[in-house]
Amino acid sequence: DAGVTQSPTHLIKTRGQHVTLRCSPISGHKSVSWYQQVLGQGPQFIFQYYEKEERGRGNFPDRFSARQFPNYSSELNVNALLLGDSALYLCASSLGGLTYNEQFFGPGTRLTVL
Amino acid sequence: QQPVQSPQAVILREGEDAVINCSSSKALYSVHWYRQKHGEAPVFLMILLKGGEQKGHEKISASFNEKKQQSSLYLTASQLSYSGTYFCGTGAGGTSYGKLTFGQGTILTVHP
Repeated sequence: DAGVTQSPTHLIKTRGQHVTLRCSPISGHKSVSWYQQVLGQGPQFIFQYYEKEERGRGNFPDRFSARQFPNYSSELNVNALLLGDSALYLCASSLGGLTYNEQFFGPGTRLTVL
Repeated sequence: QQPVQSPQAVILREGEDAVINCSSSKALYSVHWYRQKHGEAPVFLMILLKGGEQKGHEKISASFNEKKQQSSLYLTASQLSYSGTYFCGTGAGGTSYGKLTFGQGTILTVHP
């Protein structure tokens, strides 16, 4: 079975630009969560979507937005990029949307903002 | 609030054992353990739930003390492949849905 897939793998943008990151969950999984991981730190929660509805939002500015599609894939959008947005963006897939469900991470998208 | 992991780093020789701790100031519903190798995504190891249920890796064991809001990951007879950074992610349940709050990580290095 295919695991969680994310695209693109790497991305280089300049300050002020916009970026869209994509995630496809494990087949049958209905929940997608997005995390930001800065070098040397643990992942930090950005959003969770379950059955196409937002179920949680972390402490990130409104420049960050996301959505989930009918096939349960998801997009994370970041507007007006800042240098501090440079990080590994991880998507986690889970069967259900609750804390007792295992979450499986995709390979991540490495975003560099110049 | 972020859970606190200890130790920050540990160095082992193959075959030695290690314990990694995760402590939270908030009431927990679940604790999720991951291992991350440099440049790669975190890999799921184990989940421990309030009430005692746990699911995960055959060769790794863990405990969850609900009253103390603490979890420990036990790595026995370590192998070179165990090297990496270990993260605990805590779930508060309720309206937090699936949100996990991660610790700062414990770097484990296993030498031959």
